[in-house]
Amino acid sequence: EVQLAESGGVVVQPGGSLRLSCVASGFTFDDYGMHWVRQTPGKGLEWVSLISRDGGDSYYSSSVKGRFTISRDNSKNSLYLQMNSLRAEDSGLYSCARDFHNGAPWGYMDVWGKGTTVTVSS
Amino acid sequence: EIVLTQSPATLSLSPGNRATLSCRASQSVSSYLAWYQQKPGQAPRLLIYDTSNRATGIPARFSGSGSGTDFTLTISSLEPEDFAVYYCQQRRDWPPYTFGQGTKLEIK
Repeated sequence: EVQLAESGGVVVQPGGSLRLSCVASGFTFDDYGMHWVRQTPGKGLEWVSLISRDGGDSYYSSSVKGRFTISRDNSKNSLYLQMNSLRAEDSGLYSCARDFHNGAPWGYMDVWGKGTTVTVSS
Repeated sequence: EIVLTQSPATLSLSPGNRATLSCRASQSVSSYLAWYQQKPGQAPRLLIYDTSNRATGIPARFSGSGSGTDFTLTISSLEPEDFAVYYCQQRRDWPPYTFGQGTKLEIK
């Protein structure tokens, strides 16, 4: 079964750092680009970041660029999101998602994890 | 950044009815638009990609149409399991990929 499982979400103070992880199973991980998407009651679904199959290319939303870093370890079927200088508005449910296309990313997401909750609060 | 506006915010219909959900883009996204379904406590599920192509395993009662800035998701005859929140998403101009704010399809 194709699955994604996130971990690492906690309560953290503004200005703090956090690293989220996502472990993939049931498919050939290094065949696919991978995304992080966050969801909040106020803003709905918000795309955060994309990394290419080999990790050589990465892209970010303007709201997190310079503060967040996406990475992957294909030997461990794992995706990561390093989050620094956290703000209250970064709070939300963070999900990893597989890009729809086997190969160069298309930008749609066809497999999602259940998410991990990040709360930024003092 | 392309803004996607979905309407209506809430749609109240009965099983067996036809549902028509709208997504309007602030500028052309050509045909690069997808639709997702999300039920409470679950992750989004990809329904339609590139305007009109059903994803694997999606029933034929779901169809998509449109181009440029105006798009429609149609559910031909609502089943009880179709009541959920639906989101559109574009990949024409990125980063960022952007989503609409969602339409809640509720049972009347």
